[in-house]
Amino acid sequence: GAVVSQHPSWVICKSGTSVKIECRSLDFQATTMFWYRQFPKQSLMLMATSNEGSKATYEQGVEKDKFLINHASLTLSTLTVTSAHPEDSSFYICSARAGRVSGELFFGEGSRLTVL
Amino acid sequence: AQSVTQPDIHITVSEGASLELRCNYSYGATPYLFWYVQSPGQGLQLLLKYFSGDTLVQGIKGFEAEFKRSQSSFNLRKPSVHWSDAAEYFCAVAGNFGNEKLTFGTGTRLTIIP
Repeated sequence: GAVVSQHPSWVICKSGTSVKIECRSLDFQATTMFWYRQFPKQSLMLMATSNEGSKATYEQGVEKDKFLINHASLTLSTLTVTSAHPEDSSFYICSARAGRVSGELFFGEGSRLTVL
Repeated sequence: AQSVTQPDIHITVSEGASLELRCNYSYGATPYLFWYVQSPGQGLQLLLKYFSGDTLVQGIKGFEAEFKRSQSSFNLRKPSVHWSDAAEYFCAVAGNFGNEKLTFGTGTRLTIIP
């Protein structure tokens, strides 16, 4: 199947700094990518839908100024956690849709963020 | 609004025994249903999906699931589990031919005992 790669796999940062997480579709073009957040032993919560060349659509309750999403190309979307705080510590997972209609979603391996 | 319920938070099964993980969904129109597996610290892998047609769908790794509209269920089954099946399993639902956002259940953690 298609491959979605996230980088970094894990990151530790100090409170107040910003962290960027990359999501790349390695062997297909993804017009739509999704960003999820997963707390320990909990399910995935959709944060935002990222469309190439346009602004991301954020889910209710997600601060768009806090979680900046950029989908600059058909193979790359980035999530920047700005002014990170300990409560932002979580497992962030991206997924990319292959094709436009009923395309299968492929998930990245996730990025674990720890804010000290 | 769509929702997914996985009633079992944690299931323990002996290796070689059969497995059934429960999933109930709520969706106003034709649901598109998925089962994903997540190993510790990893992303998600699609096991199988139901869009239409035969209500019994076959997936990878020997898994199958049956869509029962009357019960709003999409239970995952495997006749004989292997130690490598130990993981977290998520059921998900989407609408619009699967193009709408996925809504995930809370997951079921599967433990395999020798």
